[in-house]
Amino acid sequence: QQQVKQSPQSLIVQKGGISIINCAYENTAFDYFPWYQQFPGKGPALLIAIRPDVSEKKEGRFTISFNKSAKQFSLHIMDSQPGDSATYFCAAKVRGYQKVTFGTGTKLQVIP
Amino acid sequence: GAGVSQSPRYKVAKRGQDVALRCDPISGHVSLFWYQQALGQGPEFLTYFQNEAQLDKSGLPSDRFFAERPEGSVSTLKIQRTQQEDSAVYLCASSQAGWTGPTGELFFGEGSRLTVL
Repeated sequence: QQQVKQSPQSLIVQKGGISIINCAYENTAFDYFPWYQQFPGKGPALLIAIRPDVSEKKEGRFTISFNKSAKQFSLHIMDSQPGDSATYFCAAKVRGYQKVTFGTGTKLQVIP
Repeated sequence: GAGVSQSPRYKVAKRGQDVALRCDPISGHVSLFWYQQALGQGPEFLTYFQNEAQLDKSGLPSDRFFAERPEGSVSTLKIQRTQQEDSAVYLCASSQAGWTGPTGELFFGEGSRLTVL
């Protein structure tokens, strides 16, 4: 049972463009939505996270948009750079527990 | 150590062999997680420890999988009688937060890649 659905599976963006990755969930007990970045041969690393009481969070070139009523959230990478080429996972955590459930991942390639 | 350390980084096993994967979490981290990541997929939760207590093992796919953290620090994931479908990267993560405490960031190791022939 896939609790967090992620799209697209892969994405190619030109340098300087905007990368957009979308996720949707069903479990209303989720109360924390992190995004992880994973480079080949490395473990995932936390990039940015949001709670459902805010609609947007921005950190540098990375922005999470959150739509609680639609149960959807997205990651926007502004001014995408080749160094951003990696796999991105959206994730969610149930209120009160530490267990994190991951989406299936989006492989982003930023071309010069 | 500075980060989560996992060993071995690569393991090739013949079908039916037993394997043991080790995780050395960040010093002082209460929580320890094991995840399984198949090729091209997201990490799938296997099991969770708070100190030495295994509080959730709902993700272990079969009774061939066993995990322990006897002294509340280093953890071992053991897979008995390995099958080809066990081929995956096994990720360990640790966190300062306890099971029901405030949200804590997960710090992942680089994983152990298991290939079962």
